[in-house]
Amino acid sequence: GEDVEQSLFLSVREGDSSVINCTYTDSSSTYLYWYKQEPGAGLQLLTYIFSNMDMKQDQRLTVLLNKKDKHLSLRIADTQTGDSAIYFCAEILPSGGYQKVTFGTGTKLQVIP
Amino acid sequence: GAVVSQHPSRVICKSGTSVKIECRSLDFQATTMFWYRQFPKQSLMLMATSNEGSKATYEQGVEKDKFLINHASLTLSTLTVTSAHPEDSSFYICSAEGQHSNQPQHFGDGTRLSIL
Repeated sequence: GEDVEQSLFLSVREGDSSVINCTYTDSSSTYLYWYKQEPGAGLQLLTYIFSNMDMKQDQRLTVLLNKKDKHLSLRIADTQTGDSAIYFCAEILPSGGYQKVTFGTGTKLQVIP
Repeated sequence: GAVVSQHPSRVICKSGTSVKIECRSLDFQATTMFWYRQFPKQSLMLMATSNEGSKATYEQGVEKDKFLINHASLTLSTLTVTSAHPEDSSFYICSAEGQHSNQPQHFGDGTRLSIL
């Protein structure tokens, strides 16, 4: 199957760390992405991780991948009010010469000042 | 970085009207573009995959005669919603994949379509 699941909502205080979790089911995925969507806007690519990596850090963002459990997480350090948005994980599968993207259900992050 | 431009950003029109949405890759050639639909508070659902110079591949349940896709050049794909009805109201987002398949897709800012 290709279901990608996320918890619907996360609320954190400004300055704390946020951890957004994602569970996928297809072990043949090549990459896993994290996108951010602000209200009424398109998707902004935040970071991505190759399926053969365990961790990737990029400034305030840390991605952890547990391939055995098919679990992906995004940690945002020192969360700011500008981080309030919906975050989508996405699983990438090779399909007929291109990448097929399956998005997670999305997690709405609310940052409390 | 790679930029995808989507136009228009918002459309409000009467039922029965056909609406065309453009998706352009501004600084790279996109061999493949994708069209997604997003209902309020939901995730993105892939509608179709558009390959330059060939017919689009539609996902199951998407009417190809309703949602016409044209990808005539390496930088432009269009989605036309024909004879739009209120149930077609949604947020439509395109993305583009470059010529190297190991690069992430880049998304446009979306088009909010409202059919009265």
